[in-house]
Amino acid sequence: ELKVEQNPLFLSMQEGKNYTIYCNYSTTSDRLYWYRQDPGKSLESLFVLLSNGAVKQEGRLMASLDTKARLSTLHITAAVHDLSATYFCAVDAPSGTYKYIFGTGTRLKVLA
Amino acid sequence: DADVTQTPRNRITKTGKRIMLECSQTKGHDRMYWYRQDPGLGLRLIYYSFDVKDINKGEISDGYSVSRQAQAKFSLSLESAIPNQTALYFCATSDLTSGRLGNEQFFGPGTRLTVL
Repeated sequence: ELKVEQNPLFLSMQEGKNYTIYCNYSTTSDRLYWYRQDPGKSLESLFVLLSNGAVKQEGRLMASLDTKARLSTLHITAAVHDLSATYFCAVDAPSGTYKYIFGTGTRLKVLA
Repeated sequence: DADVTQTPRNRITKTGKRIMLECSQTKGHDRMYWYRQDPGLGLRLIYYSFDVKDINKGEISDGYSVSRQAQAKFSLSLESAIPNQTALYFCATSDLTSGRLGNEQFFGPGTRLTVL
């Protein structure tokens, strides 16, 4: 059974600081997705990582994928309050099923 | 703009009632999904469909049914609602033909359902 674990589950950080959110998954997959969700809102796609070593950056966020370690990271550089949200990673289930397994999410709060 | 819409956005119902949540999309995507979100549990897949004739159960399909009326429409029904089905429900779509995007999914605004 494919499991996706994120840590930390909660993160409170000061503006200007750097931090990394981790997403570990339990079976072979080379496709991983990061989403952002604001409270009471829908999920917004942030990054699509489709191969080992993939790195994507948008503003203060950078995501990477290591399929051999079954690990993705979402790195936050010089956090600002607007980044406060819940971040989810999702992994494509084994080949051919085209469905996601979501991590439980990391709730990020950036303090001014 | 091409979009994913859900109706209703909020619904309060009583135990035992039958209700239907509807999802429509103008993205032209083949794949559609229904998820449930509970606090602390992330999103869990209820049902998914790859075309009008293809319906598949997800992780938590018990107590739910779906109908894919057209490529653009995918409805979720609770035949006899119970309080532990109180949750936020999301519909999502993805494009079968876009290999460049993998299986990137696009989510609707959600339906907040409360079962009393």
